[in-house]
Amino acid sequence: GAVVSQHPSWVICKSGTSVKIECRSLDFQATTMFWYRQFPKQSLMLMATSNEGSKATYEQGVEKDKFLINHASLTLSTLTVTSAHPEDSSFYICSARETSGSSYEQYFGPGTRLTVT
Amino acid sequence: EDQVTQSPEALRLQEGESSSLNCSYTVSGLRGLFWYRQDPGKGPEFLFTLYSAGEEKEKERLKATLTKKESFLHITAPKPEDSATYLCAVRAPMIYNQGGKLIFGQGTELSVKP
Repeated sequence: GAVVSQHPSWVICKSGTSVKIECRSLDFQATTMFWYRQFPKQSLMLMATSNEGSKATYEQGVEKDKFLINHASLTLSTLTVTSAHPEDSSFYICSARETSGSSYEQYFGPGTRLTVT
Repeated sequence: EDQVTQSPEALRLQEGESSSLNCSYTVSGLRGLFWYRQDPGKGPEFLFTLYSAGEEKEKERLKATLTKKESFLHITAPKPEDSATYLCAVRAPMIYNQGGKLIFGQGTELSVKP
């Protein structure tokens, strides 16, 4: 149980284009999903908290107009990197917290490797 | 300031050599401490949740313990397949808590040689 998928697992795009990453909870409903960014040899950096049916809450320093988050259903959240630049190249990971549980474990997806050329 | 500090940054063990990883935390009222394992190029895998001092949880060769200031992840007779980065996290205080936000430590990179 508690499986989270991400698509695509890796993507290469040209500078100036936009890329959408999907995060799905496969066997549970998730009111809240989280988007992280991770640089090599570093820990997870929370970008934003995504709540189903409402606007995402972004961490300080994260450009909400650049990283668009949509949480349209209880099993799907998407992150769109708009007008991507090489400095946006990174490993993006989503996580989901089960709606029905009283615990606060987050279950992570396998990550998406974004390379902007 | 609420923060999580893990030590050591890196740990090299021989197969079968037991050891412990440390996670020290300062947070206003602990409401959950979490351990994750992360393999290179993959998302973190959930291991344990601890809520109160004195609590212990075990899974195969791993045992997590919790005190009022820190948590330990004990690895007994490790095998090469235990090599990974181990991450510790705590729930952020309520005023910052947007649906269960976690504060992560920097991780301990464990390498177990045969």
